[in-house]
Amino acid sequence: NAGVMQNPRHLVRRRGQEARLRCSPMKGHSHVYWYRQLPEEGLKFMVYLQKENIIDESGMPKERFSAEFPKEGPSILRIQQVVRGDSAAYFCASSPRDRGSPLHFGNGTRLTVT
Amino acid sequence: DQQVKQNSPSLSVQEGRISILNCDYTNSMFDYFLWYKKYPAEGPTFLISISSIKDKNEDGRFTVFLNKSAKHLSLHIVPSQPGDSAVYFCAAGHKNYGGSQGNLIFGKGTKLSVKP
Repeated sequence: NAGVMQNPRHLVRRRGQEARLRCSPMKGHSHVYWYRQLPEEGLKFMVYLQKENIIDESGMPKERFSAEFPKEGPSILRIQQVVRGDSAAYFCASSPRDRGSPLHFGNGTRLTVT
Repeated sequence: DQQVKQNSPSLSVQEGRISILNCDYTNSMFDYFLWYKKYPAEGPTFLISISSIKDKNEDGRFTVFLNKSAKHLSLHIVPSQPGDSAVYFCAAGHKNYGGSQGNLIFGKGTKLSVKP
C-alpha cells in the first residue's frame, strides 16, 4: 500500500460537524477513486475523479457528500453535517490510467461519528 | 442485491495445504475480476486479476480460475503460509459500468486463517 497516502488515519467527529478526508495518489497516478467500507461489509464505490474533474459519482450519496481533486494538492472527500451512519472506513485508491491497471489502495481513514 | 458474493465468511487451512476461496457473481456484463488481500488496519492490496477472455491466470502461489458459464471464480493458494492469513476480497467490474473501470463491485470478503 506504499504510495497512496491518506490522512488522517482516524477521525472523530460529533454529529453535525464536517469531516474532511485527504488522499494523495501514488506518484504518476492521475486517477483517484474513493470507496467506503461499513462494518462487516465489502468496499463500496463512491466516486472516481481525475484532475479537476469528477468522472463518475454514481456511488455518492446525493446529499452532504462531495469530492474534489484539484490541479494542485490532494483529493478531498468532504462530508457535511455528519451522522452516525457515516461511521466507516474510507479508502482512496489510485491508478495510472482508467483501463487495464488494478487499483492501489491507501490504508484508509476510519471515521467515527459520536 | 449483491452482485458479487463470497458465501464463506471464514476459512481455516493448515500450513502447506491448498486454500480455495470462492466467489460468485450475478452480472453477466462483468468482464474482469480481481482478488485483493487485506490485513487489519490496512488498505486492500491487489493480488491477481483475470479478464473474461481467460479461464485461468497464475502468479506464483496464486491462481485464479474463472468459470463464466457458472458465474464463478476461485482463488487457489498453494502452498498456504501463515503470512497469507488475511481477509480476501473478490471484486468485479466492466468498462461500461458507470463509465469507469475503477468502479469495482466487491464481495464481503473471506477471512483466511492459515495454521502453522
